This record gives sequence, C-alpha cells and structure tokens, in this order.
Amino acid sequence: SQKIEQNSEALNIQEGKTATLTCNYTNYSPAYLQWYRQDPGRGPVFLLLIRENEKEKRKERLKVTFDTTLKQSLFHITASQPADSATYLCALDLRDDKIIFGKGTRLHILP
Amino acid sequence: DVKVTQSSRYLVKRTGEKVFLECVQDMDHENMFWYRQDPGLGLRLIYFSYDVKMKEKGDIPEGYSVSREKKERFSLILESASTNQTSMYLCASRSGSSYNEQFFGPGTRLTVL
Repeated sequence: SQKIEQNSEALNIQEGKTATLTCNYTNYSPAYLQWYRQDPGRGPVFLLLIRENEKEKRKERLKVTFDTTLKQSLFHITASQPADSATYLCALDLRDDKIIFGKGTRLHILP
Repeated sequence: DVKVTQSSRYLVKRTGEKVFLECVQDMDHENMFWYRQDPGLGLRLIYFSYDVKMKEKGDIPEGYSVSREKKERFSLILESASTNQTSMYLCASRSGSSYNEQFFGPGTRLTVL
C-alpha cells in the first residue's frame, strides 16, 4: 500500500542545536518533495521544494535532502530558535498533479 | 501579495444541512485543492481541479462535491452534512505550469451538530 510517514509526532530540541525531521514514503514515485510549516490555527506555508534529481537544497538555516533510493527526505533546521517551533509537513508532488501530505511532526525548540 | 481566501473561519451547521465552503485565489492559478485536516490523520485531499469545470477525486471524496465555474473560485459542497464531517477544511492553489508550491487559505473550522 502507499504510505508517507514522518518519523515522530513530536520532537523536542534544545535551542541552538540542529533539528532533523524525517519523511519516508513507500510505493510512490514523486517528481518533487516539498516541506511546509504550519502554525496552530493557520494554513501551511511553503518552505522548500526539492526535485527527484537533486540530492540537497538549502535556504538560510534550512536544508533538505532527498534520497529516491531510500525513499526518504531529511529536513534540517540549524541553530534552532524557539520561533522555529511549529508543525512541519512533508508533501509528495506526484506526476498526476496530486500532492499528498504526511501527518506532520510537531517541533518544540526549548529555550 | 498572493492571497487565498476562504469564506468563513468558523462555521456551525446541523446534521442534514447543505453546506457551501468557498475559496477564492487572486493569483490566476490553474490548480486548486480542497483538504480536510484532523488530529492524528493529517491533511487529506478531498478534491482538486486543474482547470475551470474540471475536477478530480482525491483520497476521501465521499460525501463531498465541488464546483469550479470560474478560474479564481473553487467551492466545496457538503450535500447533507454529518457529524463525521466536523473538521478543519483547507483550500490551496498553485500554478499549473510546472511543479510549484501550494498557497493555502487560513482554513474553515466546520462543526456539524
């Protein structure tokens, strides 16, 4: 069956450390993979997109990797801050215009 | 500044009522999407549309229909609301020219009593 899984429901990280979130999928062949941030009571906001032929993408303190052999993406936030606390969603961008989301990981950055 | 708006932030309806959720985008996007979001289940795709009058079923279309008469507007219809349709409903749009980010609206929290 097709699945998209994010490693944990919640993650606590000390301020200043690197937070690493995992997204694994099975039986999909995404063209792209996207990461979104969602704050309570709001819609998700796009952060980064990585193509199937890219290994790594960076944007300021954010880094995303994409391994199509392992069917896995890692999302890193370096020098984490309390303001980074939110739910982070990975999304598979499929070839038929559909986008499928993981359930998200709630990240708490502890001061 | 790009914008996706939804007709209501909060809505309370009774079982059996017909419910309309409206979504408007001002970015001339081809693709529009309706999701529902529930604790522990994440965002699930109900329907999407890649052009005016075109629609495709998502993963959970049962109990819902959609309408796209104009490019900027995508409506979600609950023909006869039921309590298990109590949820947060999120609309999104994106350009259809290539794989791109989605822009989400603020969401409508629907409660069916």
